[in-house]
Amino acid sequence: QQPVQSPQAVILREGEDAVINCSSSKALYSVHWYRQKHGEAPVFLMILLKGGEQKGHEKISASFNEKKQQSSLYLTASQLSYSGTYFCGTAFGNEKLTFGTGTRLTIIP
Amino acid sequence: GAGVSQSPSNKVTEKGKDVELRCDPISGHTALYWYRQSLGQGLEFLIYFQGNSAPDKSGLPSDRFSAERTGGSVSTLTIQRTQQEDSAVYLCASDRAYNEQFFGPGTRLTVL
Repeated sequence: QQPVQSPQAVILREGEDAVINCSSSKALYSVHWYRQKHGEAPVFLMILLKGGEQKGHEKISASFNEKKQQSSLYLTASQLSYSGTYFCGTAFGNEKLTFGTGTRLTIIP
Repeated sequence: GAGVSQSPSNKVTEKGKDVELRCDPISGHTALYWYRQSLGQGLEFLIYFQGNSAPDKSGLPSDRFSAERTGGSVSTLTIQRTQQEDSAVYLCASDRAYNEQFFGPGTRLTVL
């Protein structure tokens, strides 16, 4: 099943923070996060495995709540370069990765 | 090459014609995915190859779509009798055993 992302879109001023959520109806084994800039292919940000760990990448970090079957991506002190569409991908055991519907993030000066 | 490559980068075809899209994954990557992305939309899964296992074709939208992967490496996505609704960017990705996916630059297909 396709994970559900929220919000669908968000507009921030440079320097503001944002949280993007990814929820699954099934128990998660791993969660991937990707960012796609306009006209480009998606680029990997990070992967989280079950265990509730949190990872960071620049000022972007993510958490994985196994109990809630949810992952959240945190963007702090957003920069113009963070604009794009963020996709989470979920996998259950050895099954293929399934991407969510995406969250469009726009950063304005 | 170091990354996933796809060819052609752009393809314009007439309705009813067949097209072939090619993907060269990163050497050693056992998994290969095909996705379709319409303008402003998400990633629509099409087909998944993992090692020598039978491919997961559950995302193919119709029997006009088919794909093969030869020798565990190069893959070709074939669309027969193209329709205007097939117009989209077709993305290929590969990974090594359930790790991060590396995407190719995509093929933009336009069906007139």
